[in-house]
Parts: sequence; structure tokens; C-alpha cells
Amino acid sequence: AQKITQTQPGMFVQEKEAVTLDCTYDTSDPSYGLFWYKQPSSGEMIFLIYQGSYDQQNATEGRYSLNFQKARKSANLVISASQLGDSAMYFCAMREDSGGSNYKLTFGKGTLLTVNP
Amino acid sequence: KAGVTQTPRYLIKTRGQQVTLSCSPISGHRSVSWYQQTPGQGLQFLFEYFSETQRNKGNFPGRFSGRQFSNSRSEMNVSTLELGDSALYLCASSPDSPRDGYTFGSGTRLTVV
Repeated sequence: AQKITQTQPGMFVQEKEAVTLDCTYDTSDPSYGLFWYKQPSSGEMIFLIYQGSYDQQNATEGRYSLNFQKARKSANLVISASQLGDSAMYFCAMREDSGGSNYKLTFGKGTLLTVNP
Repeated sequence: KAGVTQTPRYLIKTRGQQVTLSCSPISGHRSVSWYQQTPGQGLQFLFEYFSETQRNKGNFPGRFSGRQFSNSRSEMNVSTLELGDSALYLCASSPDSPRDGYTFGSGTRLTVV
């Protein structure tokens, strides 16, 4: 079963507007972490934001915020005030903290975001 | 501070050859993990090392191996290369707390011909 699902292969947004990238996950582990990464065409993976399963508040980092809905198992990334430099592939990832799955990230297929001027 | 350094950046090899990729983590990070990225399979976990011990291994054939040295630098080796091994290989180092995120290197793009 797919553990991380990103249903939007591609998204378009106008510069300066906000955009939400969807991510749903599947786990029975009560302790886990959720990550979002940005991958420009250069290939490097850039860490954006982290949300722990026990965190009471949604994570925020500058223009990035994570809309964490634990009961629905969703962890959507919100980018406010989009910039042309935000055009990239975005990956949602999960790390389960117990059992044999710890110490590794499981990634979704990614969403290609294009910011239009 | 210096980031994660992967060498080489690009590599072209012939089927049947072997290859060694190198990764130097951020100073102070004891965990190094490796991922393979292909258009078809996406990002897949290869293995993770912590203080020279492999703690977890992904579902890859035995041709894929790795190791970590006492200075936390890591290498991965792929023997008897196949065309399907062509991919971007990414190394990530992480601090003890995951809250700071895993820091990835720029990757090694391997092409097998």
C-alpha cells in the first residue's frame, strides 16, 4: 500500500498568490514525522518544513506552513505569496519512528509546481 | 557550515562494471542515508548508517552495498551494473533530532550504457 500519496502531478499558480500542495499518508505507527522537500531542476533536495505526529500546532517556516490534519492523515503544504523561484518539484515524505521502518524516509511521487509571472 | 558533499556529480559506466559513490555528511551528523531517484520509481530508500553500523536497508539486490567510516563519511557501491541502475543517487545526513530535517547532497547522476 502506498504510504504517501500526492494526488497532484502538476500545479500552476500565479506569482504572489498562495498555493496548497496535497499530501495524505498511511501509517499505524503513533509516532512519525512528516517532511516537505523542494527539488529544483538542479536536483538537490531542499528541506522546507517538518511536522511531528505529537506536535500540537501546525508547523510554519517563513512562507511555508503545513496544514496538519491528523485524523484525516493529511499534511498539506501551503506556500504563501508564490515567487518565480518556487517553481520546482515538491515531495512529501514520512518517517515512522518505531519498528523496522525507522531511520528512513518514504517519499510521495511529487508535485511539479509552476509559478507564472 | 558546509553542506553534504557528494562525489562525483556525474558518472558514465558500462554494463557489468562497478561503481563507488562517496558522501561526506555535515560535520557532527552521525547518520547518513542513501536514496535512488528514477523517473519510474521515484525516490527509494537504499540504506542508512549510523556510527559505522547499517541500521536499515531498503529492498534492493545485494549488488548494492554501502559502508560508513569512523569520520561519518559514507560510500555506496554498485557491482555488475545494469541499465536500470541509471539514476540520481542522493545522500542525506541527519542530526540526532529529525526536527532539523535531513540535509541532502546535490546527488550523483549515474548513467549506465
